[in-house]
Amino acid sequence: GEDVEQSLFLSVREGDSSVINCTYTDSSSTYLYWYKQEPGAGLQLLTYIFSNMDMKQDQRLTVLLNKKDKHLSLRIADTQTGDSAIYFCAESSDQAGTALIFGKGTTLSVSS
Amino acid sequence: KAGVTQTPRYLIKTRGQQVTLSCSPISGHRSVSWYQQTPGQGLQFLFEYFSETQRNKGNFPGRFSGRQFSNSRSEMNVSTLELGDSALYLCASSLEGSARGQPQHFGDGTRLSIL
Repeated sequence: GEDVEQSLFLSVREGDSSVINCTYTDSSSTYLYWYKQEPGAGLQLLTYIFSNMDMKQDQRLTVLLNKKDKHLSLRIADTQTGDSAIYFCAESSDQAGTALIFGKGTTLSVSS
Repeated sequence: KAGVTQTPRYLIKTRGQQVTLSCSPISGHRSVSWYQQTPGQGLQFLFEYFSETQRNKGNFPGRFSGRQFSNSRSEMNVSTLELGDSALYLCASSLEGSARGQPQHFGDGTRLSIL
C-alpha cells in the first residue's frame, strides 16, 4: 500500500539550514514532490524529483533521494523567516495512478 | 500566466444541503484533480478528470461527484452535506497528470464550513 511519513515539527534559527525528512513505502513510486503551504493558501510546488535521480538542486533547495531506503529529504539553505510554513512530501506511483499521496506535513518554524 | 482559480473562496452551508465548487485550471492544462484537506485526515485525493472523463477516483462516498467541461474547467459537487465534510477543498491542474511526471499546480482552495 501507499504511505508517506513526515516528522510533524521542525524549529530552526534564521540563517541556519533546515532539513525536512520524508519516508514512503510504495516501491513503484515514480516522482516525489515537495509542496509548501502558507496560512490561508493552497499548495505551492517547490520542486520534484524523478525516482531514478539521487539529487536535485534548485537555488536554496536541495532534494536528496535514497531509493533503497525509500527516504526523501528537502534541505533549505540559509533559512529565512519567510520560509516558515507547512511542507508536504508527496509521491506519485504506478499503483496510485494519477493521484498524489501526501504526508501529513512538517511545520517549519524559523526564529530570528 | 494565470494560476489555478477556485471559486468561491469560502462557503458556509448547513447539514443536508448540497454545494458546488468550481475550478479553472491553468491555460492548456487538461488534467484537473480534487483533494480534501482536513486537520485529522490531511490531504486526500477525491478524483481526477482528463478530457471530460473521470480517470481516477479516491475512496470517498458517492455524495462526492465531479465533472469537467470541454474547456477543462471542473466542478465538484457534494450532496447531503455532513458536518465531517467541513474542509479545505483544493483543485490542482497539470498538463496530462502526475502519472506522466507532470507536476500538479494547486489553487488556493475553497474553505467549506458545515453548520
